[in-house]
Amino acid sequence: KQEVTQIPAALSVPEGENLVLNCSFTDSAIYNLQWFRQDPGKGLTSLLLIQSSQREQTSGRLNASLDKSSGRSTLYIAASQPGDSATYLCAVQGNTPLVFGKGTRLSVIA
Amino acid sequence: EAGVAQSPRYKIIEKRQSVAFWCNPISGHATLYWYQQILGQGPKLLIQFQNNGVVDDSQLPKDRFSAERLKGVDSTLKIQPAKLEDSAVYLCASSLVNPSNTGELFFGEGSRLTVL
Repeated sequence: KQEVTQIPAALSVPEGENLVLNCSFTDSAIYNLQWFRQDPGKGLTSLLLIQSSQREQTSGRLNASLDKSSGRSTLYIAASQPGDSATYLCAVQGNTPLVFGKGTRLSVIA
Repeated sequence: EAGVAQSPRYKIIEKRQSVAFWCNPISGHATLYWYQQILGQGPKLLIQFQNNGVVDDSQLPKDRFSAERLKGVDSTLKIQPAKLEDSAVYLCASSLVNPSNTGELFFGEGSRLTVL
């Protein structure tokens, strides 16, 4: 059974810092991994999708990497801003339905 | 392009009452999902449709939950009778293809249910 773990559960950083969010999964037989952002009371917004054959994806200040063999992904946020404050979730797609982690709640302090 | 539409956004009911949620996916998206997200948890899949057929409903509590997508477009999720532990946000998502074929998921804003 696929399990997804996100560390840390919560993170508070001053504005301007670069930061890394971690995601690990137990079954490396995945098709893809997706990072989402969730604002309070809102749905999920897709940030980056990494196919199993890819090592990383970039969008603006965001960079996600995938090491399928070790069951790990990281989301790197450069030059953090208060508007980045949200919960970040990773989800993996394999032979089971998309499995989510519990998320990392990020607060960027101005 | 319009996103995934869900209604109602909020619903408060008493236990043992019934409730229904509606979802209209992105136009052309064949795959539709209903997820349940309990506070502080990641979303959990309840049911997945491919067009109007059910692909996976293994985690749907079938004694009280039902879902349909009769015309392969919009979908309804019903809970009857509701329990206190059903309090959650119900998220609908859609994708152009099944994600196992690299399709990206797009989510609606969710329907928040409170059961008193």
